[in-house]
Amino acid sequence: EVQLVESGGGLVQPGRSLRLSCAASGFTFDDYAMHWVRQAPGKGLEWVSGISWNSGNKGYADSVKGRFTISRDNAKNSLYLQMNSLRAEDTALYYCAKGDIVVVPAALSVWGLGTLVTVSS
Amino acid sequence: QFVLTQSPSASASLGASVKLTCTLSSGHSSYAVAWLQQQPQKGPRYLMKLNSDGSHSKGDGIPDRFSGSSSGAERYLTISSLQSEDEADYYCQTWGTGIHVVFGGGTKLTVL
Repeated sequence: EVQLVESGGGLVQPGRSLRLSCAASGFTFDDYAMHWVRQAPGKGLEWVSGISWNSGNKGYADSVKGRFTISRDNAKNSLYLQMNSLRAEDTALYYCAKGDIVVVPAALSVWGLGTLVTVSS
Repeated sequence: QFVLTQSPSASASLGASVKLTCTLSSGHSSYAVAWLQQQPQKGPRYLMKLNSDGSHSKGDGIPDRFSGSSSGAERYLTISSLQSEDEADYYCQTWGTGIHVVFGGGTKLTVL
């Protein structure tokens, strides 16, 4: 069964950092690009970042560029999101999603259940 | 600017059909989209990828009641024989070089 399990969310003060992880199973991880998507409370989906199969290409939303860094470890079937200089507007449920091809621009065909990040003093 | 436009809400009766629309911004009518379903308090679920010519490929386990079609810059998701569990938010998503990944604002479907 294809599965994505996010972890690492929590309550953090503005300006601090947090690292999210996503454990993948049930598919050949390094055959696909991976993504982070977030959803603020009561709002729609917002793409945050994506990374190609070999980490050669990474993309970021303008809202997080320069503050967030996406990475992956194909040996561990894991995806990460390092979030620095967090702001109140980063408060959201963060989903890990699998692209349906190796490169970043792609349909997102498998989703995790999400991990909640709350930025508040 | 690349935009996907969806109506905020839609409603239809139990057992009826409903057609949801996703409109691609001007100059982008050749783009494919993916349709996603998000039931209350759940993560998104991939329904299908829909091409500009109307051909589509559905995700694993997606019932035949869900189908897609295209016309120009419009991408449609049709749900027939509506069931109570179809009450959800529906998002379209597209992708491309330079734009990476873009979501529509979502349509909240109410089953009456």
